Amino acid sequence: KNEVEQSPQNLTAQEGEFITINCSYSVGISALHWLQQHPGGGIVSLFMLSSGKKKHGRLIATINIQEKHSSLHITASHPRDSAVYICAVGGSQGNLIFGKGTKLSVKP
Amino acid sequence: DTEVTQTPKHLVMGMTNKKSLKCEQHMGHRAMYWYKQKAKKPPELMFVYSYEKLSINESVPSRFSPECPNSSLLNLHLHALQPEDSALYLCASSLGRTNEAFFGQGTRLTVV
Repeated sequence: KNEVEQSPQNLTAQEGEFITINCSYSVGISALHWLQQHPGGGIVSLFMLSSGKKKHGRLIATINIQEKHSSLHITASHPRDSAVYICAVGGSQGNLIFGKGTKLSVKP
Repeated sequence: DTEVTQTPKHLVMGMTNKKSLKCEQHMGHRAMYWYKQKAKKPPELMFVYSYEKLSINESVPSRFSPECPNSSLLNLHLHALQPEDSALYLCASSLGRTNEAFFGQGTRLTVV
């Protein structure tokens, strides 16, 4: 069983829709990360959280430590949000252990 | 400066070539990482440097040789690679083990 499981693997939405991506993990963590990767490769850190909820613009991330579950929400989605969203947990050396990613496509 | 800069962005090399990938950051981060990412897969950890010392080598073949000449610079020396080594190579850095990671744009490597 993978240490980090994401769902869904693929997600297609219409512009303006509210989007949720889920992440479950099976290991003890110091922090959970949500990352964004556009075609072409570069990875951008969206959130790092260890409890509660964080908000940045139209993005909201929540985490429930007891249930080992996190969600990433995008409000009023836009085609420029199309990317792969990756959940990751921190490893013992500060490295990241990645989920398989959710490919989001937002149609105009 | 909150950037991790990787060069080159693209690299095509033959199986007998020797080349190097370079990663640079000026954020004072003391942990630096090399990841390998194949198409449609998540990144896989290759190496971790902590305070310029190699702390993790994830059983990477010796044809990949990392080097950390100083706290701002991380190199990955490549020699006698195979076509299956073609991938996106990502460098990342963080202030410490529990801090946010910053990624470079990656080097897309093709071995012919």
